[in-house]
Amino acid sequence: GQQVMQIPQYQHVQEGEDFTTYCNSSTTLSNIQWYKQRPGGHPVFLIQLVKSGEVKKQKRLTFQFGEAKKNSSLHITATQTTDVGTYFCAGLNPDTGNQFYFGTGTSLTVIP
Amino acid sequence: NAGVTQTPKFRVLKTGQSMTLLCAQDMNHEYMYWYRQDPGMGLRLIHYSVGEGTTAKGEVPDGYNVSRLKKQNFLLGLESAAPSQTSVYFCASSYSRQDHSPLHFGNGTRLTVT
Repeated sequence: GQQVMQIPQYQHVQEGEDFTTYCNSSTTLSNIQWYKQRPGGHPVFLIQLVKSGEVKKQKRLTFQFGEAKKNSSLHITATQTTDVGTYFCAGLNPDTGNQFYFGTGTSLTVIP
Repeated sequence: NAGVTQTPKFRVLKTGQSMTLLCAQDMNHEYMYWYRQDPGMGLRLIHYSVGEGTTAKGEVPDGYNVSRLKKQNFLLGLESAAPSQTSVYFCASSYSRQDHSPLHFGNGTRLTVT
């Protein structure tokens, strides 16, 4: 079954508002990656988190990895229309070898 | 560099027909993967390969077979297509697992089985 859950499934925001998506795993992860998929496109790698409690920033995007390495979040400050797309987390479970388990994704719509 | 190239981009099959999806990468990556994407399900791993001549099962391998005869190519076969295999299929590659390198995805193949 699905080992990585992601919420919310959909989010509509006004341009300029903030947005957060959360990723939760039933097991401890060795690392987590985040991807963005534009409508009709393919997933594109954004960032990887490895350390417990790690926080990384990319301009308006802030990524966090939980202390227990079972959850992660992506926060976008002051959304823009270019942020539209589906955001996926992908966690590597050390007990299952080389398999990344993708979350169900959060589809972000930004209303101009 | 082309990156990861998938062919075909679209395909319609009738139930029971067979087909092969081709994935090619020119980045000299060791690892290659086949995922399927369905609404509300995220990406689910079908099969993967950690090097030429090797393959392994992922989360949802039933009904699919794969081969990695050359390092740059990873083929996904459907022996007898079923409507449940209607999906968007993505191939991906990565340099290695040891350094947890990111996945590079192809543009996808949209398959409809009627």
